Amino acid sequence: QKEVEQDPGPLSVPEGAIVSLNCTYSNSAFQYFMWYRQYSRKGPELLMYTYSSGNKEDGRFTAQVDKSSKYISLFIRDSQPSDSATYLCAMSAGNTGKLIFGQGTTLQVKP
Amino acid sequence: DTAVSQTPKYLVTQMGNDKSIKCEQNLGHDTMYWYKQDSKKFLKIMFSYNNKELIINETVPNRFSPKSPDKAHLNLHINSLELGDSAVYFCASSQGTGAETQYFGPGTRLLVL
Repeated sequence: QKEVEQDPGPLSVPEGAIVSLNCTYSNSAFQYFMWYRQYSRKGPELLMYTYSSGNKEDGRFTAQVDKSSKYISLFIRDSQPSDSATYLCAMSAGNTGKLIFGQGTTLQVKP
Repeated sequence: DTAVSQTPKYLVTQMGNDKSIKCEQNLGHDTMYWYKQDSKKFLKIMFSYNNKELIINETVPNRFSPKSPDKAHLNLHINSLELGDSAVYFCASSQGTGAETQYFGPGTRLLVL
């Protein structure tokens, strides 16, 4: 079993929909939780960064971390075609810079 | 001006050959990384260097050898290439070795025939 599980999708939604992306993990030492967005044939770029449990909002994006359930989520409101990409969750215990990534969920937002 | 750059972008080669991928960052960061992304988009860390010192060395065949001539450069040399080495290799950098944001390069697409 992988340390971080993420449904690869693909997930297809109409423009304007609310998108929910999720990851589960098994290592209770993880304290730092990130979401990276990767457009086709590009490198991943950091979208959201959360420390420990709680919510963080940035524009149309909200990241949630529930450490008790070992479950993290990314919500995208009013999704746009430009949000079409692969979304990778990543986690770290914080002491070495070692990030453990989920497999990534491919999202397509249709106009 | 590109923050993390990699050369080459594409690499097509025969099994058994030796090849190198170069990475440079102009962010002034102390730590650099190599990741491998397979055909299923699974991204896995291979190595990291902090100020030219090896910090992370994952279970990677010893045909892969990273080299950091200075903190702005991290190269990856691969000996005796195998079909299973075909993947996209990403370089990344961060300020330190903790949980700082990692900035990724555009990737090098390696195809071994």
